Amino acid sequence: KAGVTQTPRYLIKTRGQQVTLSCSPISGHRSVSWYQQTPGQGLQFLFEYFSETQRNKGNFPGRFSGRQFSNSRSEMNVSTLELGDSALYLCASSWDSYGYTFGSGTRLTVV
Amino acid sequence: GEDVEQSLFLSVREGDSSVINCTYTDSSSTYLYWYKQEPGAGLQLLTYIFSNMDMKQDQRLTVLLNKKDKHLSLRIADTQTGDSAIYFCAECLLGAGNNRKLIWGLGTSLAVNP
Repeated sequence: KAGVTQTPRYLIKTRGQQVTLSCSPISGHRSVSWYQQTPGQGLQFLFEYFSETQRNKGNFPGRFSGRQFSNSRSEMNVSTLELGDSALYLCASSWDSYGYTFGSGTRLTVV
Repeated sequence: GEDVEQSLFLSVREGDSSVINCTYTDSSSTYLYWYKQEPGAGLQLLTYIFSNMDMKQDQRLTVLLNKKDKHLSLRIADTQTGDSAIYFCAECLLGAGNNRKLIWGLGTSLAVNP
């Protein structure tokens, strides 16, 4: 069974640009969650999608958005990038609450 | 409030047992998890425990949950150098409309010395 796939693995962007990250969940998993990981703040919940609907949202500004497609693949978009958006962005898929399987993450660097 | 706390560092000798502790504040958690993160990698689910359980054992791993004190611990028996990593404690909160979110600790960096 393939794991959670996140693309790209690494990304360098300039302040003010926008970026789209992709996450393909494990086959059969309908829940996809996104997290931002930084050394200072740890893991912060961004949002969760289930069957193409945003089910929950963390405390991030509106520049952070996401969506989920009918095949459960999810994308996360960050507009007007700021230096503080540099982080490891992790995606997790789940079939139920028993466990979340994480991808390897996308490391975003904003310069 | 929603908060999960862990000590930041733990150092043990190879072959000893490691105990990583975690405290949480929200009593409505449904599941509690332990994840492991190695350098440059994503998070690997080690084990989880339902909030109505006291203990769970899985090979070298033992999870203890004290709901009254909101305290969770992970014991790794016969710790090996390959266990060196950051260990995260997380609680799953179930809200209205069946929405869920994980609240994470900052992680405990485990160093295993030969």
